[in-house]
Amino acid sequence: QSALTQPASVSGSPGQSITISCTGTSSDVGGYNYVSWYQQHPGKAPKLVIFEVSSRPSGVSNRFSGSKSGNTASLTISGLQAEDEADYYCISYISSSSRVFGGGTKLTVL
Amino acid sequence: EVQLVQSGAEVKKPGESLKISCKGSAHSFTTYWIHWVRQMPGKGLEWMGMIYPGDSDTRYSPSFQGQVTISADRSISTAYLQWSSLKASDTAIYYCARENVDYRFDSWGQGTLVTVSS
Repeated sequence: QSALTQPASVSGSPGQSITISCTGTSSDVGGYNYVSWYQQHPGKAPKLVIFEVSSRPSGVSNRFSGSKSGNTASLTISGLQAEDEADYYCISYISSSSRVFGGGTKLTVL
Repeated sequence: EVQLVQSGAEVKKPGESLKISCKGSAHSFTTYWIHWVRQMPGKGLEWMGMIYPGDSDTRYSPSFQGQVTISADRSISTAYLQWSSLKASDTAIYYCARENVDYRFDSWGQGTLVTVSS
């Protein structure tokens, strides 16, 4: 399976909103509502921020939201804060035997 | 909160074997899939494979099939990732993660850095 396609980088100023896309196919992103998103700060393990396309775990800021249209899932962060600067990864269920990550997106808060 | 604790950093030579571990909480370890994820230096996350410790059912990414072996010992709530002959290109951080019923990775190990160098 090929990696899901994410933009290499996005940026925004504090207070603004940004959206990161995650494009796959009808066999992965488009076929299931099992896309999750992870935030990774340098030197740290990834942290779950969105699951099942648009659900937010307890403890994650409501500034994080997710959506999906066709074969593309999206993560939106509103009211950008300096602490949001990190790498973000999507991952999709493909089958009971397979998962696939996106290539990752580096978010820079200007 | 479920905790996954991984074994420490390793420095190995090409051709050597290695087995790293991921220890979880006893009461729930056997009823969730444990996944392994590779992160090469400066690169993204790659899904390697998964194991169900309850019966050791194991699935691999085609990219890693035959390159690594995933196993588990349910009696000590531990999953393993092993190599029989390391290559320099195996240098990476390896994470284990628990997958919940809704396919989210809700708990991650701290990562194990594997360095393979002559």
